[in-house]
Amino acid sequence: ILNVEQSPQSLHVQEGDSTNFTCSFPSSNFYALHWYRWETAKSPEALFVMTLNGDEKKKGRISATLNTKEGYSYLYIKGSQPEDSATYLCAPLTNDYKLSFGAGTTVTVRA
Amino acid sequence: DGGITQSPKYLFRKEGQNVTLSCEQNLNHDAMYWYRQDPGQGLRLIYYSQIVNDFQKGDIAEGYSVSREKKESFPLTVTSAQKNPTAFYLCASRVQGATNGYTFGSGTRLTVV
Repeated sequence: ILNVEQSPQSLHVQEGDSTNFTCSFPSSNFYALHWYRWETAKSPEALFVMTLNGDEKKKGRISATLNTKEGYSYLYIKGSQPEDSATYLCAPLTNDYKLSFGAGTTVTVRA
Repeated sequence: DGGITQSPKYLFRKEGQNVTLSCEQNLNHDAMYWYRQDPGQGLRLIYYSQIVNDFQKGDIAEGYSVSREKKESFPLTVTSAQKNPTAFYLCASRVQGATNGYTFGSGTRLTVV
């Protein structure tokens, strides 16, 4: 099983503040890096799929960067809103097309 | 609307009984996956199928079985050989290709008493 680490495990953010958190993964056999948002009582929703070293993706106030050589990705939330409260999962896809998930970072945005 | 349907949402079974979890998709996706979630852990891959009539074991396949007789359906059977079956089970599907994300169902929470 691939060792995927996400930190911190949870964080609390004041509405309007920006935050970021990390996903670390083995850089060998890397094919792509997925980010998902999982809101309570809903299905995980795909945010980004990143493949290239140095890649940066953006969706509204959320963005992500990727470093495949050192095996990490950052996810940033700018100007957090209550609707950003969710668990954010990262998952590297390896050459055998298997997706391995981290335990997630749970973000709680306080109004 | 296209999507993945998992049923039932909650399932209770007695220890020693086999139970089958349903997963149906109308997205025309080739690949389908079963994951298990336990508290404090990431989703772990049980089985996956990239094409009809073919499937592979994931990281924690022991005590589980699957079939893929139709493109739309990928049922998971939790057998009595699974030592800790109580968990949350998620089904997913995707179009083949590195840049395509997975589409997930809403999950089934299985409790074995």
